[in-house]
Amino acid sequence: GAVVSQHPSRVICKSGTSVKIECRSLDFQATTMFWYRQFPKKSLMLMATSNEGSKATYEQGVEKDKFLINHASLTLSTLTVTSAHPEDSSFYICSASEGGAGQPQHFGDGTRLSIL
Amino acid sequence: AQSVAQPEDQVNVAEGNPLTVKCTYSVSGNPYLFWYVQYPNRGLQFLLKYITGDNLVKGSYGFEAEFNKSQTSFHLKKPSALVSDSALYFCAVSPTGGYQKVTFGTGTKLQVIP
Repeated sequence: GAVVSQHPSRVICKSGTSVKIECRSLDFQATTMFWYRQFPKKSLMLMATSNEGSKATYEQGVEKDKFLINHASLTLSTLTVTSAHPEDSSFYICSASEGGAGQPQHFGDGTRLSIL
Repeated sequence: AQSVAQPEDQVNVAEGNPLTVKCTYSVSGNPYLFWYVQYPNRGLQFLLKYITGDNLVKGSYGFEAEFNKSQTSFHLKKPSALVSDSALYFCAVSPTGGYQKVTFGTGTKLQVIP
């Protein structure tokens, strides 16, 4: 149980392109979803927290107009990287929680984004 | 502010030997503590958690962790390491009392040597 599907797994595109990444909870309702960016030296950086039906809460230093997050249903959240540039190249990971304190996050397999 | 420290960037252990991956935390009040494992080019997989109760928590794949309140530690252990345990391990903490943001450590790479 508690499977999170993230697509696509890899994207290679030209600078200036907008890229959409989907995160779906397949067998549970995710009241909260999270978007992370993982840098080459391993550390996970929380970008934003999204709750179904409300605006995402962005972490300090994350441009909300650059990284658009939509959590339209209890099973789907999307991250759109708008007008992507080479410095946006990274490994993006989503996770979902069933809600409630003490519940673990369930992670997607990540998206490797490469901007040429 | 809450924080997690994983003091070892990498841990090497021979196959069949016991392994320990260290984690210490700082949080206001009582903690919720988690361990996750990440294989190359994959997301994180949940291993185990401490919420309350017994200090020794057992999780997936034979892993366990011991919560030590006085030392604010939550070290991950396994009695006998397998080569397939080689991966990146993350410790995470959040405070109790309603939903609170989870803070992850920087990760420890575990290398099990055949």
